Amino acid sequence: QKEVEQNSGPLSVPEGAIASLNCTYSDRGSQSFFWYRQYSGKSPELIMFIYSNGDKEDGRFTAQLNKASQYVSLLIRDSQPSDSATYLCAVNPAGNNRKLIWGLGTSLAVNP
Amino acid sequence: EAQVTQNPRYLITVTGKKLTVTCSQNMNHEYMSWYRQDPGLGLRQIYYSMNVEVTDKGDVPEGYKVSRKEKRNFPLILESPSPNQTSLYFCASSSFRSDTQYFGPGTRLTVL
Repeated sequence: QKEVEQNSGPLSVPEGAIASLNCTYSDRGSQSFFWYRQYSGKSPELIMFIYSNGDKEDGRFTAQLNKASQYVSLLIRDSQPSDSATYLCAVNPAGNNRKLIWGLGTSLAVNP
Repeated sequence: EAQVTQNPRYLITVTGKKLTVTCSQNMNHEYMSWYRQDPGLGLRQIYYSMNVEVTDKGDVPEGYKVSRKEKRNFPLILESPSPNQTSLYFCASSSFRSDTQYFGPGTRLTVL
């Protein structure tokens, strides 16, 4: 069964620090990878997607993909209290059917 | 504004009373999907649709029905709701050019 695993946390970091969130996946053929942020009771919102090995930066966020090791990570620089949320990793295993496999999420708390 | 809308946002009902949760998107997306989210279980796909008149079961389809008569709408139907369908429901859509999914605001359903 295709799986996506995340540490549930909570991950606690001080304001201004770098938060590092990790995700591993089981299907080696996976093609696209997503990070969503979800505030309590709200809908998931896309932060970043990444398709190729390496780093992808967008503002304070950097996604890192290593297909050989089957992990994807999200770094949040200069963490702010407003970054406190649950971060969901999602993976498109293969093909074109748009069915994403979701991790259970990592809870992040940024302390002022 | 590009968006996915859901109605109602909150609903309390009783066992066995048929209900419909509407979902509409204005982005001309081909793919639409329904999820439920429960504590500790994450996002689980109920049904999805690749295009008009094309629907298929997700991971937890029991007790639900869907239809896709128009490209923009994808209603979720509970013919005879039961308390175990109490959950937070999300509709999502994406285009075939990109597998990024965009979520509606969510519907919190309570079945008594």
